[in-house]
Amino acid sequence: KAGVTQTPRYLIKTRGQQVTLSCSPISGHRSVSWYQQTPGQGLQFLFEYFSETQRNKGNFPGRFSGRQFSNSRSEMNVSTLELGDSALYLCASSLKGRGRLPTYGYTFGSGTRLTVV
Amino acid sequence: AQTVTQSQPEMSVQEAETVTLSCTYDTSENNYYLFWYKQPPSRQMILVIRQEAYKQQNATENRFSVNFQKAAKSFSLKISDSQLGDTAMYFCAFMKPFYSGAGSYQLTFGKGTKLSVIP
Repeated sequence: KAGVTQTPRYLIKTRGQQVTLSCSPISGHRSVSWYQQTPGQGLQFLFEYFSETQRNKGNFPGRFSGRQFSNSRSEMNVSTLELGDSALYLCASSLKGRGRLPTYGYTFGSGTRLTVV
Repeated sequence: AQTVTQSQPEMSVQEAETVTLSCTYDTSENNYYLFWYKQPPSRQMILVIRQEAYKQQNATENRFSVNFQKAAKSFSLKISDSQLGDTAMYFCAFMKPFYSGAGSYQLTFGKGTKLSVIP
């Protein structure tokens, strides 16, 4: 069974540009969450999608957005990149129904390392 | 807001020995879940063990076990018979339901403990 796949693995962008990161969840998983990991702030929740709808959003500016497709694949977009957006972006998927707690936790991908120069 | 504190930024242990990683959290919720994740240099977060707050019994997974003290809001991880492959960052995480329509969930992570297993 394939795991959570994130592409690309590494990305270098220039300040002011925009970037799109992709996440393919485990087959059958309908919930996809995104996290930003930096040395200073640690792991911070960005947003969660379930059945193409954003269910929850963390405390990030509007430059951070995402979407989920009908096949549960998700993309996140960061516009007008800033140096502080340099981070490891992790995607996680889980199998849960509406309102049900994913008791076994999330399965994470290996992340996309974004460097803004 | 929930907070998760891991007070040990770095730890080391001799191979085959036992080590305990500490985690405390703050919440007003009664029903929640706690997790330990491991992040090796490959960057992938790997679930080590989970605990449901309403269960009294401490969770165990092979060499990994937890000491869950709900009243004290403490959730420590014990690794027995440490192996070189256990070298990684370990993150304690808390999850509560975020009630927004049909429900949505997020993990709150601690800052992590870097564990080094020494041969």
